[in-house]
Amino acid sequence: AQSVTQLDSQVPVFEEAPVELRCNYSSSVSVYLFWYVQYPNQGLQLLLKYLSGSTLVESINGFEAEFNKSQTSFHLRKPSVHISDTAEYFCAVRTYSGAGSYQLTFGKGTKLSVIP
Amino acid sequence: EAGVAQSPRYKIIEKRQSVAFWCNPISGHATLYWYQQILGQGPKLLIQFQNNGVVDDSQLPKDRFSAERLKGVDSTLKIQPAKLEDSAVYLCASSLDWGSEQYFGPGTRLTVT
Repeated sequence: AQSVTQLDSQVPVFEEAPVELRCNYSSSVSVYLFWYVQYPNQGLQLLLKYLSGSTLVESINGFEAEFNKSQTSFHLRKPSVHISDTAEYFCAVRTYSGAGSYQLTFGKGTKLSVIP
Repeated sequence: EAGVAQSPRYKIIEKRQSVAFWCNPISGHATLYWYQQILGQGPKLLIQFQNNGVVDDSQLPKDRFSAERLKGVDSTLKIQPAKLEDSAVYLCASSLDWGSEQYFGPGTRLTVT
């Protein structure tokens, strides 16, 4: 069975500082990897995804994540955070569970707090 | 394009009562998902529909939870009777097809007292 571990439950960081949110996964088969963001009282929004190809993927708002197969990691980074990045971030792995069904397995989430 | 709609946004009930949640997916999306997100945890898939058929309900507690998507569009999730441990946010998501990106609604926050 696949699992996702987000090593930090909370990450405080000062505005304009860099940040890295860590994610490790376990799976014996090929995986697709995702980062979702959840702002207060809102649903999850897809931030970026790795399906195949280049191991470095980027979002439109400056986040990037690198797929590392040997370390089974998919850490999320941003070189300079903004107040508006304050949210909870979820790493997820998608695997084929059979019978026309893909299953998303989520980590427990990391709350990013950007301090002015 | 309208997003995934859910109602109600908040619900407080006593244990052993019944409750129902409603979800209207994005128009044209064939696949619909219900997730349970307990405080401090990531969302967990409860059930997945493809049109009006159930594809995966392996993690749905069938003794108390039920869900339907009768016309292949909107869906309801019911809990009867509710337990304290059912307190959570219930998220609905939809995708164009079973392998496509999932779009999430704002969720329904259930508190069972």
